[in-house]
Amino acid sequence: QKEVEQDPGPLSVPEGAIVSLNCTYSNSAFQYFMWYRQYSRKGPELLMYTYSSGNKEDGRFTAQVDKSSKYISLFIRDSQPSDSATYLCAMNPPGSARQLTFGSGTQLTVLP
Amino acid sequence: DTAVSQTPKYLVTQMGNDKSIKCEQNLGHDTMYWYKQDSKKFLKIMFSYNNKELIINETVPNRFSPKSPDKAHLNLHINSLELGDSAVYFCASSPTHRGLSGNTIYFGEGSWLTVV
Repeated sequence: QKEVEQDPGPLSVPEGAIVSLNCTYSNSAFQYFMWYRQYSRKGPELLMYTYSSGNKEDGRFTAQVDKSSKYISLFIRDSQPSDSATYLCAMNPPGSARQLTFGSGTQLTVLP
Repeated sequence: DTAVSQTPKYLVTQMGNDKSIKCEQNLGHDTMYWYKQDSKKFLKIMFSYNNKELIINETVPNRFSPKSPDKAHLNLHINSLELGDSAVYFCASSPTHRGLSGNTIYFGEGSWLTVV
């Protein structure tokens, strides 16, 4: 079993839809949770960053962490074609980016 | 101004050749990494350097050798390339201090390596 599981998709939604992207994990030591967005032929870029359980909102994006269920989500409201990318969840224990573990990514396409 | 830059972006080479990928970061970070992304988009760490010192060396063939001349540069040299080495290689960097920003990693644009 992988430490971090992510549905690879692909996921296609119409413009304006609410998108829900999810990851589950098995390592209870993970406390920092991130979402990266990767456009085609580009490197991953940090989108959202949360510490421990709870919600964090940034514009149209909301990151949610449920440590009791070992489950994290990224919600995209009013999705736009420019949101079409692969979204990777990532997480690591406290104090060290070196142990960052990635999910395999979910490919999202927002149709105009 | 590109924060983490790596060259070349695309590289096509024959089996058995030796090639290098160069990486530089201008963020002032102390830690640099090499990641490999396979065809299924799975990102896996290969090496991590902190202030030119090797910190993480995951299970990769010893044909892969990282070199860090200073903390702003981390190059990847690959000997005797094999077909299975075809992948995207990402250089990355992060601050080393504890706290929120110490856990974020900034990636370069990637180097697409194709071995034929």
